[in-house]
This record gives sequence, structure tokens and C-alpha cells, in this order.
Amino acid sequence: EDKVVQSPLSLVVHEGDTVTLNCSYEVTNFRSLLWYKQEKKAPTFLFMLTSSGIEKKSGRLSSILDKKELFSILNITATQTGDSAVYLCAVETQGHAGNMLTFGGGTRLMVKP
Amino acid sequence: DTEVTQTPKHLVMGMTNKKSLKCEQHMGHRAMYWYKQKAKKPPELMFVYSYEKLSINESVPSRFSPECPNSSLLNLHLHALQPEDSALYLCASSQDRGGRSFNQPQHFGDGTRLSIL
Repeated sequence: EDKVVQSPLSLVVHEGDTVTLNCSYEVTNFRSLLWYKQEKKAPTFLFMLTSSGIEKKSGRLSSILDKKELFSILNITATQTGDSAVYLCAVETQGHAGNMLTFGGGTRLMVKP
Repeated sequence: DTEVTQTPKHLVMGMTNKKSLKCEQHMGHRAMYWYKQKAKKPPELMFVYSYEKLSINESVPSRFSPECPNSSLLNLHLHALQPEDSALYLCASSQDRGGRSFNQPQHFGDGTRLSIL
């Protein structure tokens, strides 16, 4: 059974802090690893990672994948209150019937002013 | 607002009602998905449609019946639901991967929050 585990479960920081969110996985037929941010509604896409060691950046957010050790991290620098959300890690796998996402349990981040 | 539109945003129904959830996208995506998300839990995959054909059914009870009338629309027909079916139902779409080498993420709608009385 495919498994995706995120840590920590929740995190409370102050504005300006840097945070690192972790995602480890054990899956069959890995295709990619994705990070999403979910506030009250739709998960919004952040990054898709397919290759090890290549950092993806978008503003204050960055992410990297290690396919040998089977994990990814999401870094947020200079956090702001608007970063408060649940951050979901998902692994895409290829099955006989198509591709599917398995989500981790999420990390709930709260950024205090 | 997202590029995947779901209606209605909220739905309250009794256990004997029949209702439908709708999802629409105009990004030319050929794969569409239904997920169920309970409070403080991650989304769980229910169904996958690829080129309007059902390709994955994750052992979902028959009281949930998906339908894909065309490449832009995805419906979820509901009948005789149980209180434990109350959840946020998310639709997503992506370029169909089907073994091709390029990678495209799934894009989610805002969901329908369903409450079963």
C-alpha cells in the first residue's frame, strides 16, 4: 500500500521565521511529488518535483526532492500571516488504470503576527 | 477562484434525496477526478476519468455514481447517502498523463460542502 507521511502535524511560528516541512513516502511506480497549500477551500498547487536534487523556488517558497532517501522538504522563509494554511504533500503514481495521487496527512502551519 | 468550477458550493440533503454535484473545466484537460475530504484529513481519491472513460474507482459505494458527459464536465450523482458521507467533495483536472513523459499537476476546484441530515 502506498504511504505518504508528513511532519510535523502542526507548527506555530511568528512572522519572519523560517519553516521546513517534511514529506516522506513509500510508493510503487513513483511519477512525481507535489506540494499544495490549502486554506479554506481548494488545494492550490505550489510545486511538482520529479528529479532529485533540483530545487524549485517561487518567491519565499522552495522545495527539493531526494528520490534515494524518499523524501521532500518545503521551505518557507520570512513567513507571513498569509502563509497560515495546511500544506499537503502528494505523490503521484502510475497504476494499470491510470495515474493517481496519494496525499499525506498535511502540516497545519499557523503564523502569528 | 480556481479554473475548475464546482456547483453547488454547499448542499444539505436528507438520506432519501437524490442530488448531483457538478464540475466544469475549460483548460482542455482530459483527466478529471473526484475526491472526498473529511474535516482535518487529506483528500481521498474516489474516481478518475480519462478521456471521458472511468479508469479508476477506489471501491466507492454505489450510492455515489459518477458521470462524464463530455471532456469539460464531470458529475457525481448522489442517492441514499449516509450521515458519514458528509464531507467536502473536491473535483480536480489535469492533462491526461497516460504514460506520456510530460508532467502536469492536478488543479482543484473549491469543492462542494455536503451535509447529510
